[in-house]
Amino acid sequence: QSALTQPASVSGSPGQSITISCSGTSSDIGSYDLVSWYQQFPGKPPQLIIYQVNKRPSGISDRFSGSKSGYTASLTISGLQAGDEADFYCSSYAGSGTHWLFGGGTELTVL
Amino acid sequence: QVQLQESGPGLVMPSQTMSLFCAVSGGSIGSSGYSWSWIRQSPGKGLEWLAYIYHTRSSYYNPSLRSRLSISLDTSKNRFSLNLTSVTAADTAIYYCARRPTVTTALDYWGQGILVTVSS
Repeated sequence: QSALTQPASVSGSPGQSITISCSGTSSDIGSYDLVSWYQQFPGKPPQLIIYQVNKRPSGISDRFSGSKSGYTASLTISGLQAGDEADFYCSSYAGSGTHWLFGGGTELTVL
Repeated sequence: QVQLQESGPGLVMPSQTMSLFCAVSGGSIGSSGYSWSWIRQSPGKGLEWLAYIYHTRSSYYNPSLRSRLSISLDTSKNRFSLNLTSVTAADTAIYYCARRPTVTTALDYWGQGILVTVSS
């Protein structure tokens, strides 16, 4: 099964809000509320920032929020900061055959 | 605080078998409530889920790599491992191990990753 589809890059100015989309199918995002989002800085492992569509782990800023509509999940970052520059990946459960999928990743640039 | 640490060869010859280990501290891999995963990232590319295993030793694989992958637990050493057979240059990547609690179903702790290069 193909990876989830994310835009290659997004950008925004400090203080603004940006949204990163993650498109799937009826077999993954459309069937399960098991979407998670990860932030990855260069040379570092990914870090969990959203799980089960819209839940934040302890210690993650409330500037990060998640949502889902149909076959598309979204990550919104509000009050953009320079330190938010990183790559972001979505992931979804895709059933007992494929199990887990990742998106191709989105590079966030803070202008 | 849970910590995961990958280890293994940094260089593997084409057609050989790659064996990686993930040592877990701060928690027992024999405990229920978690699965233990391997994920890789090719240079400059995205993440690819490879395999995961439960404390019951039930294991699951990426369908596209299933025939070449094997994941196992060693509870005596509190580590889990991954074998990838018949490697090619396309398997050159950073390999990460990670923990997934069943209650959150997300990868909450990751190792730092190990770069494995396939080359003669």
